[in-house]
Amino acid sequence: EAGVAQSPRYKIIEKRQSVAFWCNPISGHATLYWYQQILGQGPKLLIQFQNNGVVDDSQLPKDRFSAERLKGVDSTLKIQPAKLEDSAVYLCASSLTASDTEAFFGQGTRLTVV
Amino acid sequence: AQSVTQLDSHVSVSEGTPVLLRCNYSSSYSPSLFWYVQHPNKGLQLLLKYTSAATLVKGINGFEAEFKKSETSFHLTKPSAHMSDAAEYFCVVSRLGGKLIFGQGTELSVKP
Repeated sequence: EAGVAQSPRYKIIEKRQSVAFWCNPISGHATLYWYQQILGQGPKLLIQFQNNGVVDDSQLPKDRFSAERLKGVDSTLKIQPAKLEDSAVYLCASSLTASDTEAFFGQGTRLTVV
Repeated sequence: AQSVTQLDSHVSVSEGTPVLLRCNYSSSYSPSLFWYVQHPNKGLQLLLKYTSAATLVKGINGFEAEFKKSETSFHLTKPSAHMSDAAEYFCVVSRLGGKLIFGQGTELSVKP
């Protein structure tokens, strides 16, 4: 089966610019996650969707980050305006349901803010 | 609250020798625990998972982990390291509702 697809793979932007990342989860997976992985650290959950509804966005910096999953399939994560500390790998993951214990991860988007 | 602590940020072994990556967890209820591996420029891959069945869990590529409630540990082991095992390994605990909480990671180096 096809895995979780993310694009772009790499992005370099200047601080205060905006950027968007796209994720296509595994077909039929109701739950979608966005994680932020700063160099040298483990991934940290930013937001969790169940279908097109937000389940958990407690760690999302809502003054600059936004995410949507309008049709309950694809998702986009946006940063506006970007800061230097947003440099990280942004990982998308999906699972069949929220209670499913296995999440499948995409390869991530490496963002560098200069 | 749930959390995991990986006791070593970097482990170096010789090819053919055993691997031990240590993880302690904290959870207010019976946890689901996982080990994920991340190779350079690749996505995270699930190695194995514990979900309150057998305490000794076997995963892919010869890895296994033992859940020890009395020690709140979930250490990852492999009898004989291969060069291809060099990667970053993450111990993970799952919160209710599916949220995964990652440890800081352990980088495994394998010397020829």
